[in-house]
Parts: sequence; structure tokens; C-alpha cells
Amino acid sequence: LAKTTQPISMDSYEGQEVNITCSHNNIATNDYITWYQQFPSQGPRFIIQGYKTKVTNEVASLFIPADRKSSTLSLPRVSLSDTAVYYCLVGLPRDYKLSFGAGTTVTVRA
Amino acid sequence: SAVISQKPSRDICQRGTSLTIQCQVDSQVTMMFWYRQQPGQSLTLIATANQGSEATYESGFVIDKFPISRPNLTFSTLTVSNMSPEDSSIYLCSGDRDSNYGYTFGSGTRLTVV
Repeated sequence: LAKTTQPISMDSYEGQEVNITCSHNNIATNDYITWYQQFPSQGPRFIIQGYKTKVTNEVASLFIPADRKSSTLSLPRVSLSDTAVYYCLVGLPRDYKLSFGAGTTVTVRA
Repeated sequence: SAVISQKPSRDICQRGTSLTIQCQVDSQVTMMFWYRQQPGQSLTLIATANQGSEATYESGFVIDKFPISRPNLTFSTLTVSNMSPEDSSIYLCSGDRDSNYGYTFGSGTRLTVV
């Protein structure tokens, strides 16, 4: 499994865009990049997954450059309820063994 | 995506006793996973559970301490045996992957051993 590196924490204010970059220099050819969100006292929740370029859903966007050695999760116009830990994972789509790194604690302030 | 009901949500147990945590999935899933999460820390995989076969444990976790059952495709249990305060943690289960929605997790069991 490719090792990932992401910032430990980030602070933001309501209405701002939050961008979290994850480094995965050893990503394999068939690996996908997946992001999970975890609120206190809850299990992680899938946010978005991508292989290359850009993926967007109703929650976030995921930007992956051509070399795929990093990726950026973009949360548009965050609110207080977006305060959570965000995990970047890299692996095969059918690799059931998720390897969670330290994650990024995002704190949104009013 | 699947919904996983996990119980109990929290418990306080005496050292030396055992606690069984249950996870019920609202649809059939091929594999289920059990994780441990220390407060403020990331998740650590304990074991992978398939129906009809013995669970596969990660390094540092053994069956005698964390026996797992997987009697069918919608249910699994994890037992924390002969507990000590070091077992105080959050335990989470996770179900099979939906290709569009990733893995589904239970809400966790917060265990305190006194």
C-alpha cells in the first residue's frame, strides 16, 4: 500500500474553500485515491474517489495531477458542520484492507 | 450504500471480563472488517472476516484476544476478551465496498475498561 502524507490540521472559516493536499509518491499504476471524512463519535464516511484528473460530486472535488503523486481534496464553501478529520487513502479499488494514515483535522470557525 | 448498525455504542467494563460487539448490515456484504481507534488517533485494522472461514488477523492482534464470528453475510461480532485498561478504545466495523460509495462503517463502540 502506498504511503500517504497529509497535513495534520487546517483551520478555516465558514464560507471559505478548503483544499487538503495528500502526497503519495509511491502510488502504483492501478491505485485509486479515496477520501473519507470522520466526525467525532462516528465511523468514517466515504467522500470521493478518483484515478486521474478531476472528480466532482455533491460534497467535494478531487484534483489529481498527471503524475498522480499527489491529490487535492477541495471542499467548497465550508460550514461549521464540515469540522472533521479527513483521511486520504491510496490503493486498489478492490483492495479491502484500508490503511488509514493520521488524517487532517479540519476546524471550521464562524 | 449499505447501512451498518453497531452495538453497543459504548460500555464500561471491569478488567478481566469480555465484551462482544455486534454489527448488523442491512444488505449482504462479502467481507467485514474490524478496526480499533484510540482517542485522537487513526484507525488500525484488527482483522478481516469472511463468512464460513476463520478471520484473518493483522500483526499484533490474535484470535484468542479478539475472537470474531461471521455466521452469515449480514452479521459479525468481535469479542474483546480478558480486558485490561489498555483495551480501552473505539472499535469499529466496516462492510464490503460499494464501488460507488466506498466502504461503510458502523458508528463505533466506545469501550472503557476499569
